[in-house]
Amino acid sequence: EPEVTQTPSHQVTQMGQEVILRCVPISNHLYFYWYRQILGQKVEFLVSFYNNEISEKSEIFDDQFSVERPDGSNFTLKIRSTKLEDSAMYFCASIQGADYGYTFGSGTRLTVV
Amino acid sequence: AQTVTQSQPEMSVQEAETVTLSCTYDTSESDYYLFWYKQPPSRQMILVIRQEAYKQQNATENRFSVNFQKAAKSFSLKISDSQLGDAAMYFCAYKGREGKLTFGQGTILTVHP
Repeated sequence: EPEVTQTPSHQVTQMGQEVILRCVPISNHLYFYWYRQILGQKVEFLVSFYNNEISEKSEIFDDQFSVERPDGSNFTLKIRSTKLEDSAMYFCASIQGADYGYTFGSGTRLTVV
Repeated sequence: AQTVTQSQPEMSVQEAETVTLSCTYDTSESDYYLFWYKQPPSRQMILVIRQEAYKQQNATENRFSVNFQKAAKSFSLKISDSQLGDAAMYFCAYKGREGKLTFGQGTILTVHP
């Protein structure tokens, strides 16, 4: 069964550093998403991406964050100048179309120290 | 904005017994989708079951079934013949016209042997 692949599985970074989280969505999927889950809390929507542009973003997704699909396969989330409170599990997800269910990646655990 | 509420932070069940997890939601939309996701300790998000709001028939996937009450905006998950592998955090989620998922706070399910 097709999978959404996320790398790395775990990243530790110094506060103030930039990190790039990578995702390879399922090849025929059209909509891509990033979600965040702070430990012990619910999963929160960050951003959705369709047709090579952001279609929606949450209040969390401020100027510190950016997304891009540089080569038609990878879908990246960049966090500039990381803060301690950015420590969380970050999930990438994709769907084929609006009427379909999500496929989630296995997540990247980001730890900011 | 849509909201999803899971009022049971924790639930427990004996192996082979049945347990029901509750979920309510608030929306002004008429067409939407509802999901239950399972998150084991690995923190991967695994789709358990989905329900289209326009379908009156409750969804069923093997031992998992839902009780969808559209007028009451209620979407509970019933797990029959509980197994030790069912132990996990369970999230209820809503997907409306915008396409993003809105999650509840989660319910931790413990299965006792």
